[in-house]
Formats: sequence, structure tokens, C-alpha cells
Amino acid sequence: DVKVTQSSRYLVKRTGEKVFLECVQDMDHENMFWYRQDPGLGLRLIYFSYDVKMKEKGDIPEGYSVSREKKERFSLILESASTNQTSMYLCASRSMGWSFSGRQTYEQYFGPGTRLTVT
Amino acid sequence: DAKTTQPTSMDCAEGRAANLPCNHSTISGNEYVYWYRQIHSQGPQYIIHGLKNNETNEMASLIITEDRKSSTLILPHATLRDTAVYYCIVRVGGITGANSKLTFGKGITLSVRP
Repeated sequence: DVKVTQSSRYLVKRTGEKVFLECVQDMDHENMFWYRQDPGLGLRLIYFSYDVKMKEKGDIPEGYSVSREKKERFSLILESASTNQTSMYLCASRSMGWSFSGRQTYEQYFGPGTRLTVT
Repeated sequence: DAKTTQPTSMDCAEGRAANLPCNHSTISGNEYVYWYRQIHSQGPQYIIHGLKNNETNEMASLIITEDRKSSTLILPHATLRDTAVYYCIVRVGGITGANSKLTFGKGITLSVRP
């Protein structure tokens, strides 16, 4: 089974702190993603990476940066945490693949999420 | 990627079929329809996807209209554990879409009642 793990389930940080959220996947997937999820707003894409050392801005990249030094690991960095970054953060990975039936499949696998509170 | 519209919520009785609609009237020829769901306090989970033919797997069936402007996800025998938010997403397939993102909307909240 594909496994996507996130370093913490719950995290509490102070305003102005530098925060690292780590995500590791064990399926050699090329693509990895960071989302945040807030009530009433659904999932919003922060950044994604389609290969090692590659990154693309998502819909809400402001206040965040990312690092992908190894294929299995994708880190989300809050340089100076603010209270409006209190949220649930979800990591995902995806392979460019083909199912046995010959259909393209881009199934995305999600981690359990990190609930970050910035006080 | 084309936008999708879904009702905000619906409910169904346990054991009955749940039919979740999705409109994607601006879908283009190379865009696939994907469905994910998110059970409370968990990350989203892939359910099924299709291009133009109807698809079925162990979780659900996906019915796509002939003009591809709408689709319906069918859970044939809903259980209490199917209570979740269901997301309908369209995105480009093929090599062009291989490195592109999934854009999640707000989804539809399905409540399965005993």
C-alpha cells in the first residue's frame, strides 16, 4: 500500500516562528503536493513539485516556501508563522502511471494531515 | 482545468443507492473526471475516474453523460461509513496533464442516515 506520512498530527507554534512541515512517501512517486484546508474553503493548493528540486506555485503560495531535495520528501516551510496560517495541512503524492487495464491513472494519495495552530 | 459545480449537501438512507451529481459544462475533450472523498479528520481518498465511458470499481460507479457536461457518482449500497465530503474534479489527462494539479472545490457533503 502507498503510504504518505506527515511528521506531526498536531502542532502548536508561536507567531513569528519558522515552521517546517515534513512529508514522506514510500512509492517513488514523481509528484508531491501541499494543500491547506479551512472550513468553508475546501482544499487549496499551496505548492506542488513534479520532480526533485522542481517546484510550482499553487493557488495560495504567499507566506510559504517548499523544498524537495530527495524524491521521497517534500517539505513545507512557513518562514514566519502568522495566525492566519492556522489550518489543516495535507500532503499528497502522485505517480504518472497506467493501470492494468491500460488506462492512465493519476491517483493522488494523501497523508493524514497536520493540524497547525499558530498563537 | 474546467470548473465543477456540486450541490452543497445531500443525504440518503443506509443501504440505498447514493447518487451524487456534478456539473462540468466547460469540460474539454482531454479532461478526465475524478472523484475523491474525505472522511472527517482524514486526508482525501481517490474513488474513481473516467473520460467518457462509464466506469465501475469496487467502491463506486461513475456515469458520464454523452456530452460529458455532467456526471454522477453512484454508491450502490451506502453505509454509515460513506458519510463524507465528495469532490468532483476535472483535469487534463495524458502527458500534458501528468504534471498538473488537481483543483478541489468545496465538494458535496453526503450524510448517510441509519
